[in-house]
Amino acid sequence: ETGVTQSPTHLIKTRGQQVTLRCSSQSGHNTVSWYQQALGQGPQFIFQYYREEENGRGNFPPRFSGLQFPNYSSELNVNALELDDSALYLCASSVPGGSYEQYFGPGTRLTVT
Amino acid sequence: EDQVTQSPEALRLQEGESSSLNCSYTVSGLRGLFWYRQDPGKGPEFLFTLYSAGEEKEKERLKATLTKKESFLHITAPKPEDSATYLCAVHVTGGGNKLTFGTGTQLKVEL
Repeated sequence: ETGVTQSPTHLIKTRGQQVTLRCSSQSGHNTVSWYQQALGQGPQFIFQYYREEENGRGNFPPRFSGLQFPNYSSELNVNALELDDSALYLCASSVPGGSYEQYFGPGTRLTVT
Repeated sequence: EDQVTQSPEALRLQEGESSSLNCSYTVSGLRGLFWYRQDPGKGPEFLFTLYSAGEEKEKERLKATLTKKESFLHITAPKPEDSATYLCAVHVTGGGNKLTFGTGTQLKVEL
């Protein structure tokens, strides 16, 4: 069984630039959630995708957007990067309903300078 | 607003010294409480799900328990490889499928 994978592992961007992060869900999981984790904090929910549509959103501005593809993989796009966007971005996959357990990938470390 | 508070923020134990981590929650309606382990720079690793007060789950040296207001993660005779940050998260009624996390307890087990 293949777990959740994310790319790239690390990324350095300049303030004002745009970034795209990628996630492949665990085999059999059709729901993908994205979280932002600042240093020393717990993960904060950004949004979730199910059947290629956004299915819930946390307190993040519209410059955070996403996509889900027919194979359940997903992208997180962040426009107009700010210094505070520097964080570990985590993708988690799950099966809707039932246990609500979410399984996380290794994350992408984004540094904005 | 749903809140999850973990204590202590950091804990240092000697190998073999058992202890407990606390996760207290204030939510509108609990559908599930989750424990994760996170190593530095890595994604959280799923440990347990608890659904109702009185429920207990065990895995090796770890045991998780749940009451109506809090959950405990008991660590029995810990080893250095148990050193990590332990995160607690809740799934609540009307919250969609998002998890709301606490800030974690950083555990260090020394020889």
